[in-house]
Amino acid sequence: TQLLEQSPQFLSIQEGENLTVYCNSSSVFSSLQWYRQEPGEGPVLLVTVVTGGEVKKLKRLTFQFGDARKDSSLHITAAQPGDTGLYLCAGRTYNTDKLIFGTGTRLQVFP
Amino acid sequence: NAGVTQTPKFQVLKTGQSMTLQCAQDMNHEYMSWYRQDPGMGLRLIHYSVGAGITDQGEVPNGYNVSRSTTEDFPLRLLSAAPSQTSVYFCASSYRPGQGKNIQYFGAGTRLSVL
Repeated sequence: TQLLEQSPQFLSIQEGENLTVYCNSSSVFSSLQWYRQEPGEGPVLLVTVVTGGEVKKLKRLTFQFGDARKDSSLHITAAQPGDTGLYLCAGRTYNTDKLIFGTGTRLQVFP
Repeated sequence: NAGVTQTPKFQVLKTGQSMTLQCAQDMNHEYMSWYRQDPGMGLRLIHYSVGAGITDQGEVPNGYNVSRSTTEDFPLRLLSAAPSQTSVYFCASSYRPGQGKNIQYFGAGTRLSVL
């Protein structure tokens, strides 16, 4: 059973469009991270959010942690082909400190 | 600075064979984890360790064993490989959450096929 569900699973858009990826769970996490993975490589950390309701911006990427610490979203403004990749959310559990990953969202941005 | 090193990069096994996937990190990280990645499933946690001599099960531990005799190394053993274990395996390491930056570093992965 996957604790973290991401939607959509696939996203194919044109350069310049905006998009939002969602990460949802019934569990509460002490922190939540977003990673991006390129083909043939391991995931690379983009951001960590710790406080419920927290919003962090990384250039054109905006990350939000839900008030109840159960969900998160990633919004990309004016997507570029360089944003293409697999986006993964990951939540750290309170009682065991495990880092549990979401199901992933594969983004393709066409020029 | 090598970071997290996984060997081998590719492996083909026959059903029933055993093998060990190696993982080493040179950053003195306490936490180490093994994940498998399958299409549409993201990364699923197999086993993890919060320090030398301490291991625990993740989401999908069946068919895999681990040990952590040193801080640097965290090998993953497949005792009797099955086709269902065909996957890409990633090892990761980090400091204990709350100690400095909460960054998990990943190796480049081991691509395993079980025939």
